Amino acid sequence: AQKVTQAQTEISVVEKEDVTLDCVYETRDTTYYLFWYKQPPSGELVFLIRRNSFDEQNEISGRYSWNFQKSTSSFNFTITASQVVDSAVYFCALSEKTSGSRLTFGEGTQLTVNP
Amino acid sequence: DTGVSQNPRHKITKRGQNVTFRCDPISEHNRLYWYRQTLGQGPEFLTYFQNEAQLEKSRLLSDRFSAERPKGSFSTLEIQRTEQGDSAMYLCASSLERGMGPQHFGDGTRLSIL
Repeated sequence: AQKVTQAQTEISVVEKEDVTLDCVYETRDTTYYLFWYKQPPSGELVFLIRRNSFDEQNEISGRYSWNFQKSTSSFNFTITASQVVDSAVYFCALSEKTSGSRLTFGEGTQLTVNP
Repeated sequence: DTGVSQNPRHKITKRGQNVTFRCDPISEHNRLYWYRQTLGQGPEFLTYFQNEAQLEKSRLLSDRFSAERPKGSFSTLEIQRTEQGDSAMYLCASSLERGMGPQHFGDGTRLSIL
C-alpha cells in the first residue's frame, strides 16, 4: 500500500529564511511518481513538480528546489529566501503505476512566512 | 487554456437531501478525478474516469455516491441522502493519460450539511 508522511504539521519562518519541507513515502512499486502541490488560502491546489522513480536528479526552479533520495524514500522541498506569498499548505503526493492514477497525499505542512 | 472548472463553489443543504456537483476538465485532458478533502487533511481519492469509463472507485465512495462522465467531457458527482459526515471540500482534477501527466485541480465545491 502506498503512504506519504509529512511529519511537519506547521512551520513558521521569517521572510528571507530558507525552509525545507520533508516528505517520506512508502511504496512497493518500482515505478512511481512523486508530486508537490501548493494550497494557498484561496483553496486551489497548484501543481509544483512531478518526478518519476527513475530520475533522482535534483531539480531547481527559481527559489524552489527538490531533493529526491530513493535510498531514504524521501522527496524534500526547499524554498530559498522565503517570501510572505509562499505562505500556504504544501502537500506531497505519490502515484504508483500499478494502482492506476490515484494520488495519495500526505497530510500537508502549513508554512507561514512572517514579514 | 482554461483550467478545471467546478460548480457550485459552495453548497449548503439539509441532512437527507441529495446534491449534485459538476466538473468541467481542461478540454484536452482525457482523465478526470474526484477527491474529497476535510479540514486539516490532504485530499483523499474517490474515483477516476478515463474518457467516459469509470476505471477506479475508492472504498470511500459508498453506495450513496455516484459519479458519471457522459461523453467523456464534464463529470457530475451526486450524493444521495446526505449525512453530516459528507461535509467536506470536493475537488475535481484532470490530466492527460500520456506520460502520467500531472493532475490539475479545480477550486473545489465546499459542501456543508446542516
